[in-house]
Amino acid sequence: DAKTTQPPSMDCAEGRAANLPCNHSTISGNEYVYWYRQIHSQGPQYIIHGLKNNETNEMASLIITEDRKSSTLILPHATLRDTAVYYCIVRVAISNFGNEKLTFGTGTRLTIIP
Amino acid sequence: NAGVTQTPKFQVLKTGQSMTLQCAQDMNHNSMYWYRQDPGMGLRLIYYSASEGTTDKGEVPNGYNVSRLNKREFSLRLESAAPSQTSVYFCASGRGAGWDWVEQFFGPGTRLTVL
Repeated sequence: DAKTTQPPSMDCAEGRAANLPCNHSTISGNEYVYWYRQIHSQGPQYIIHGLKNNETNEMASLIITEDRKSSTLILPHATLRDTAVYYCIVRVAISNFGNEKLTFGTGTRLTIIP
Repeated sequence: NAGVTQTPKFQVLKTGQSMTLQCAQDMNHNSMYWYRQDPGMGLRLIYYSASEGTTDKGEVPNGYNVSRLNKREFSLRLESAAPSQTSVYFCASGRGAGWDWVEQFFGPGTRLTVL
């Protein structure tokens, strides 16, 4: 699976959009981009995933560049409850026995400031 | 649905003691996973089970054993605990083989301290 690079920490004002970048320059054509977050001491929580098109759900939007070498997770109106560590993960699309596992890096610690 | 449950929530052991961490899921998932998380670090995969009856080593399997008791339950055993195994342990489940994307659901974690 491709490696990812994320800034170690970011701050964002409450109510503003939080934009979290991720570089994955060695991504392969069959690899998805996944985002998870971990709120203090809890288990990680799935946010969103995408292959090459931009994606949006009730939690966030995912913007993937045309060359797929980087992506941005957008939390449109950040709240204090969005303070967490955000993980960008790249892995193969099709799951077969034994390759469903996710590789977590150290992520980006996002702090929402009142 | 309870999702993924883990017991116990907290545990303190002495070096050399053994214990089993329990994990259960009620989402009818095929795959289950055990991760550990040390302070300031990301999660590292210990063992996983792609389906009932199969288990495989992850990134850091030394000092651990696992049992996939049935489709719902996946336990992690420390035979002789060491201080280096002080960590937070997370269990997760996922739909597994045959799906074209993967979402894993995590339990609340077990905080283990080995003295």
